Amino acid sequence: AQTVTQSQPEMSVQEAETVTLSCTYDTSESDYYLFWYKQPPSRQMILVIRQEAYKQQNATENRFSVNFQKAAKSFSLKISDSQLGDAAMYFCASPSPLRDDKIIFGKGTRLHILP
Amino acid sequence: EAQVTQNPRYLITVTGKKLTVTCSQNMNHEYMSWYRQDPGLGLRQIYYSMNVEVTDKGDVPEGYKVSRKEKRNFPLILESPSPNQTSLYFCASSFIGRTGANVLTFGAGSRLTVL
Repeated sequence: AQTVTQSQPEMSVQEAETVTLSCTYDTSESDYYLFWYKQPPSRQMILVIRQEAYKQQNATENRFSVNFQKAAKSFSLKISDSQLGDAAMYFCASPSPLRDDKIIFGKGTRLHILP
Repeated sequence: EAQVTQNPRYLITVTGKKLTVTCSQNMNHEYMSWYRQDPGLGLRQIYYSMNVEVTDKGDVPEGYKVSRKEKRNFPLILESPSPNQTSLYFCASSFIGRTGANVLTFGAGSRLTVL
């Protein structure tokens, strides 16, 4: 059973605005990685950002940053200054609670950028 | 160029006709995995492999087989395809770090239709 939860199936944001996509996960490990992947209309899966769980500092990649709350098992993605090219499906990924050495995905959030 | 190559990219077949989707990576990754993507369900793991001759079931293994005879190849076999296996399939690979699988490199996807 999938235990990575993305509670927003779809979201819309005005171009140049900021949007936050939510994700919760479930693992009993203390040391692990979390990921956000982007899937544009081309269907190619592209890594957006990665967070190491033992690092206190939230990861940042240009306009993309995360809000990592380890105790709450929450891992949201913030996109600043949204651009038309950000329109895509976004997937959160984490270790499986059953086998922490494998990666499982949420159901995704489709992000629309309004011009 | 570091990549994961899967073939065919598109396939239409009929119920019961055995087929194989090939996957090959050139990054010497230990971890390889197959996912299927269906609308509203995200990416669900079918099978994965931690190394040569080591494979394990994911969340939706029924109706599929895999093998890992060589490190670079991880074919997905549908012995008797059924219409409910119509889906978009992704192969992915990763090195294995201290916490298990890490950043996944994905193939371009294989769109399979079973009539």
